[in-house]
Amino acid sequence: GDSVTQMEGPVTLSEEAFLTINCTYTATGYPSLFWYVQYPGEGLQLLLKATKADDKGSNKGFEATYRKETTSFHLEKGSVQVSDSAVYFCALSPVASGGSYIPTFGRGTSLIVHP
Amino acid sequence: NAGVTQTPKFRILKIGQSMTLQCTQDMNHNYMYWYRQDPGMGLKLIYYSVGAGITDKGEVPNGYNVSRSTTEDFPLRLELAAPSQTSVYFCASSYQTSGRGADTQYFGPGTRLTVL
Repeated sequence: GDSVTQMEGPVTLSEEAFLTINCTYTATGYPSLFWYVQYPGEGLQLLLKATKADDKGSNKGFEATYRKETTSFHLEKGSVQVSDSAVYFCALSPVASGGSYIPTFGRGTSLIVHP
Repeated sequence: NAGVTQTPKFRILKIGQSMTLQCTQDMNHNYMYWYRQDPGMGLKLIYYSVGAGITDKGEVPNGYNVSRSTTEDFPLRLELAAPSQTSVYFCASSYQTSGRGADTQYFGPGTRLTVL
């Protein structure tokens, strides 16, 4: 079945540091790929997405590129801020003919940014 | 648009009590989902629905029931609450079209449930 593997957290960085959170997936075909962010005490919200190979999703300074050859969708940001402290979830939604399209989530990676 | 709304925000139950967690979306999404999130953990799918009148089990359905009589509402029923059901519950919705991948999921703010 489909699966998403994220790097274990917490990831602890100083403000203005470079961020990478690794995400790899297993799925048939060409799934859509997502990064969601969960701020403390809130629900998840979409950060960015990509729907086909080599697409780059970007939002709020975060970027991720859909790499079919390495089945990866790593999240990057050039300079993190304290306000980026949150839990980040990588997810995929399968593409198939017929059936239901239930997304698969990674376990989440906690990011802590210190001033 | 209000998006996905959930009530209540917080609830404390005693063992053996029952309750219904409410979820409503105003985006005309066909798919709706219930997840639970234990402290420091990821999401686990409880139940989902692909449209009014159609529901199916997720990864952890035991101890829960759902119904979907309208497109907008997807309540989650807890019967005979147990301490193991202490968690944060999230409702989500998305729009899916046949033959295409799932679109973005929209999440509610969550219900924080404690069973004592």
